[in-house]
Amino acid sequence: LAKTTQPISMDSYEGQEVNITCSHNNIATNDYITWYQQFPSQGPRFIIQGYKTKVTNEVASLFIPADRKSSTLSLPRVSLSDTAVYYCLVGDMIYNQGGKLIFGQGTELSVKP
Amino acid sequence: EPEVTQTPSHQVTQMGQEVILRCVPISNHLYFYWYRQILGQKVEFLVSFYNNEISEKSEIFDDQFSVERPDGSNFTLKIRSTKLEDSAMYFCASSEERSANYGYTFGSGTRLTVV
Repeated sequence: LAKTTQPISMDSYEGQEVNITCSHNNIATNDYITWYQQFPSQGPRFIIQGYKTKVTNEVASLFIPADRKSSTLSLPRVSLSDTAVYYCLVGDMIYNQGGKLIFGQGTELSVKP
Repeated sequence: EPEVTQTPSHQVTQMGQEVILRCVPISNHLYFYWYRQILGQKVEFLVSFYNNEISEKSEIFDDQFSVERPDGSNFTLKIRSTKLEDSAMYFCASSEERSANYGYTFGSGTRLTVV
């Protein structure tokens, strides 16, 4: 399973765009990149997933360069309610992990007014 | 949006007592999981369950733990004799496929406090 590295914490202000970068130098050919969000005292929530280039949904965008050794989660115009921990996960769980998710420490995003 | 429902939201129990945490996964999902998160620490995998049997379990999931799907809707985690270090948030999750290539849906958790 590819190890991921992401900043422990980030601060932002309401209305700003926030970019959280995750490094995964040992990503394998079959691996996907998945981001989860966790609010205090709640379970993680799936945000977005991608394999290469750019993926966008109603919540966020995910940018993956050609070498796939990193990825950037982009949150447009954050609000106070985006204050949460964001986790980057990399893997192809069918073959390597039997379906389980391996969470790191994540990035604690704090959005200020 | 379909939800994974967990009950109770909070449980306080005395050390050595048995507890059962309950979950109702999303109805068309086939794979079920339990995770836990000790306060201030990472979310940790406990066990995955498919077709009425355990698919995989972690080192944490020792013989004090068991899971069951007693009927078509509930999925339970039992801790036979609770220890102080079992105090944590316990999250149930379900998925359509056994892969993180498809998003898992987590419940809101049960906060277990062992005193």
